[in-house]
Amino acid sequence: AVQLVESGGGLVQPKESLKISCAASGFTFSNAAMYWVRQAPGKGLEWVARIRTKPNNYATYYADSVKGRFTISRDDSKSMVYLQMDNLKTEDTAMYYCTAGGTGFDYWGQGVMVTVSS
Amino acid sequence: DVVLTQSPATLSVTPGERISLSCRASESVDTYLHWYQQKPNESPRLLIKYASQSISGIPSRFSGSGSGTDFTLSINGVELEDLSIYYCQQGNSLPFTFGSGTKLEIK
Repeated sequence: AVQLVESGGGLVQPKESLKISCAASGFTFSNAAMYWVRQAPGKGLEWVARIRTKPNNYATYYADSVKGRFTISRDDSKSMVYLQMDNLKTEDTAMYYCTAGGTGFDYWGQGVMVTVSS
Repeated sequence: DVVLTQSPATLSVTPGERISLSCRASESVDTYLHWYQQKPNESPRLLIKYASQSISGIPSRFSGSGSGTDFTLSINGVELEDLSIYYCQQGNSLPFTFGSGTKLEIK
């Protein structure tokens, strides 16, 4: 069965950094585009970042709200995807979901909570 | 950015009813429109992809239709376990965007 397991969330202060991780299993990770989607408390879903596969040069894309501050990366040898979050803002407080799919999100992890507060 | 408008925001239903949820796009997204269900305190799950394609393991009472800018998610015979928030999402152009959701409640 497909599994996506996020880790690394927590409480940080504004302007600090945090790196969250996602371990994937149950599918051919190297063939899958990977994404991060977030959900602020009581709010809707927001796409954050995308990383494509090796044949697509691991191209990355970001929502305007995080561009220049967040970096998505992957390690196909470990079936891992990461989100490095720098210069965090209070509005980045959210549950962060790791997802996999094509243009839609077929598989979702359980999410990891990131809280940015002083 | 493509704006997705979902209506209604909240729908009160009686078990057994057939219902339809709407998602309208601000510009054509072809059939790159996907539907998700999110139950309280759970991760979203994919219900329908590419507007009308069914997903393995999803009950057959869920169906989708539409193309271009107008899309519909139908539930033929609502059950109590369907109480959730339903989101549409477009994958036609970056940034991928979601609608604000339709919350299904029991009357």
